[in-house]
Formats: sequence, structure tokens, C-alpha cells
Amino acid sequence: DGGITQSPKYLFRKEGQNVTLSCEQNLNHDAMYWYRQDPGQGLRLIYYSQIVNDFQKGDIAEGYSVSREKKESFPLTVTSAQKNPTAFYLCASSTFTGAETQYFGPGTRLLVL
Amino acid sequence: QKEVEQNSGPLSVPEGAIASLNCTYSDRGSQSFFWYRQYSGKSPELIMFIYSNGDKEDGRFTAQLNKASQYVSLLIRDSQPSDSATYLCAVQGSARQLTFGSGTQLTVLP
Repeated sequence: DGGITQSPKYLFRKEGQNVTLSCEQNLNHDAMYWYRQDPGQGLRLIYYSQIVNDFQKGDIAEGYSVSREKKESFPLTVTSAQKNPTAFYLCASSTFTGAETQYFGPGTRLLVL
Repeated sequence: QKEVEQNSGPLSVPEGAIASLNCTYSDRGSQSFFWYRQYSGKSPELIMFIYSNGDKEDGRFTAQLNKASQYVSLLIRDSQPSDSATYLCAVQGSARQLTFGSGTQLTVLP
């Protein structure tokens, strides 16, 4: 089955800890995105990548880092500098050309201990 | 600041009625418009997209776009309880990134 997978489903972070969220896609999409959703809010863009080994900051990149070493994978690290990390994190992908319709993975819910 | 505005609701309609969801946007260079449905605790799923002024129909769903008024809407005909969800409007602006509204919560009453 083609699709986007995210793991883990739930993640707990301790004070001062860095944690990494996984996102993998087998849709052969060029572009990948990370969004954050807070309760009752829309999605806010953290980082995006249009090609391997290249990525750009979104609207709320502070306290986060990413890498894009493979077309299929776009992991997000929530660093200790992110003081309010509790949120629902969504990964998406799209073809670079055309309509750029974005398709979402199932999400990771990050909670702070 | 590129903005996408939606009425947060909640919007309640009886089963079988038409639900009307509205969205306005500020970036006049916006090119593509998307409606996503998000069930509680789940990720957004694409319902439909529209690029050109006018109406686009897909089953019970109709998207309407008016670029002059910077307005896009989603109509759901014959609403079902399973349509109860939050509906997110997303706009692809001149920078080619999607900007999302905060969503409208819809409840269809049996």
C-alpha cells in the first residue's frame, strides 16, 4: 500500500530532552512537510523540503530541526529549545509539480512529562 | 501576513440538510484551494480542491470559489452524522505553501 507513515503514535518528552519524530512515504513524492496543530487550531508549518538534502524553515521553525537524506524520509527533531512542544505533529507529502495536493500521515502526539 | 479565516462554529445541521462552510483569504495571489476533513484525534484527509472560479461538484460535496471576493465555500448536501468533523480550508498562496484556517466544527444531528 502506498502512503505516509509516522512513528511513534504517542511520544513523551522529559525536560531538556531532544526527541525525533519519524516520517516515511512510499508515494515517490518530491516534497515533504511538517506541521504542528494545537487544540482548536489550524495547522502551522514548521519545515518543508522540496528535494533531497534541501529544506526550508516554515512559520514556526524555532526549536525544531530536520534532515532530508533520502527522498522517502523526513524526520523532525524537537529540541530542548522548544519550550512548549505539546502538540499534534503532522507530516505531509506532495508531488513537487502540478497541484501540490498534500496528503497527510496519521500524526504523532507529543506530550511533556 | 497571509491569513485564512473560517468561522470556528460549532455549526449544527439536521441529518439530510445542506451544510455550508465558508472561508475567506487575504492573499490575492492565491492559486489553489483545498478542503480537508479532520475527525477528532485523526489527521486531515482531502475532500476536494478547486482552482477556477465557479462551482466544482464531487458527489455530495460542492466547492465554490470567487477570487474577486477572495471567498471559497464547501457545501455538503444530504448531510449525514458521519460528516460530523472539523473542516479545514487551505489556500496555496503566491509562495506556493499552504496556509490553513483554524477549521469549522460541524455536527450533523440524527
